[in-house]
This record gives sequence, C-alpha cells and structure tokens, in this order.
Amino acid sequence: SQKIEQNSEALNIQEGKTATLTCNYTNYSPAYLQWYRQDPGRGPVFLLLIRENEKEKRKERLKVTFDTTLKQSLFHITASQPADSATYLCALVAGGDDKIIFGKGTRLHILP
Amino acid sequence: GAGVSQSPSNKVTEKGKDVELRCDPISGHTALYWYRQSLGQGLEFLIYFQGNSAPDKSGLPSDRFSAERTGGSVSTLTIQRTQQEDSAVYLCASSLDRPETQYFGPGTRLLVL
Repeated sequence: SQKIEQNSEALNIQEGKTATLTCNYTNYSPAYLQWYRQDPGRGPVFLLLIRENEKEKRKERLKVTFDTTLKQSLFHITASQPADSATYLCALVAGGDDKIIFGKGTRLHILP
Repeated sequence: GAGVSQSPSNKVTEKGKDVELRCDPISGHTALYWYRQSLGQGLEFLIYFQGNSAPDKSGLPSDRFSAERTGGSVSTLTIQRTQQEDSAVYLCASSLDRPETQYFGPGTRLLVL
C-alpha cells in the first residue's frame, strides 16, 4: 500500500542547532514533494516545494532534499529558534494526479 | 489581500443532525480542496474541485458527506446525519491552478455529541 511516514515522536532540538526532519514514502512516484508548517489551532502554511528532478531547495534558514532512490525527503532548519516550534507536514503529489497526500507530521520543539 | 476563510470556526452539534461548513477561497483560485484532520492525525483528503471539471470525490468517507462549489468560488461541505466519529477539524485550501502551493483556511472545528 502507499504510505508516507514522518517521525511520529516529537523532536526536541536546542536553540541554535540544526533540526532535521524526515519524510519517507513507499509505492509512490511523486512529481513533487512539499513541506508545510502547522501551528496549534491553525491551518498548515506552505514552506517549500521540491520537484522530482531537484536534489535540494533552500529558502532562508530552510533546506529540503529529495532522494527519489531512497524515497526520502529531509527538511532542515538551521540556526533554529524557539519560534520554529511547530508541527511540520510532508506532502506529495503523484505524477498526473492533483491529489495531495499528507504525512501525519512531526512536532518540533526548539528549546531555549 | 484576504486569505482563505472558513465558517463557522467552531460547530457543536448533536448526533444525527446535518451540518454545513463553508469555505471562501482566495479570489481567482481555481482549485479548492477539503481535508479532515482528526486529533493527532494527518490531513485526510476529502474532495477536490478544479475549475469546471467534475470534482474528485474519491476521499469522501461515506455518502453522508457531500460538497458543492457554486460559481467556481464558495464551497460548502455538508455532513448529513452526523456521527461522533465525524468530530474533527475540517480544513479548506485553495490554489491558483495545480496544487503546487495550497493556501489553507483556519479550519472548522466540529464536535458531534
């Protein structure tokens, strides 16, 4: 069956360090993969999109990698800050299909 | 500019009642999605509208769920004969065309007693 898996456990990172979140998928051939941030009581907010032919994408302190051989995406936040604490969702869109499939998300806590 | 809005923000209803949830997408966005998020769970796709095409209803969990989009803008998600397991946050998102960047509304928190 098709699955998207993110770290189910909360991730605690010391302020200033790099936080790395993982998204693994099986039985998909995604055209692209997205990362969203969700704060409690709010809808998700789009952060970054990476296409199947791209290895890496950066935006300010954020970096996303996409390895279609490993079927994995890594999401990095460098110089992390307490304000980065949130749940981060991975989502993918299969080629030719406009339906987005979301992972369950990873809760990130940046400790001051 | 205005983002995606949803109403009501909270809804408490009794089991067996019907509810209507509303979504106002960003003006000009042709694609509109409904999702359901239960506590501690990811977003569950429900239905997708794209322009004048027939909607993709493949995610609707039962025939008690239906949605329409009038005039290519506002959408209403209707749940008939609500059950306690329908309790969740219902999120709406819109995008300009293909779902490359989705803009989400704040959600409607539905509680079925």
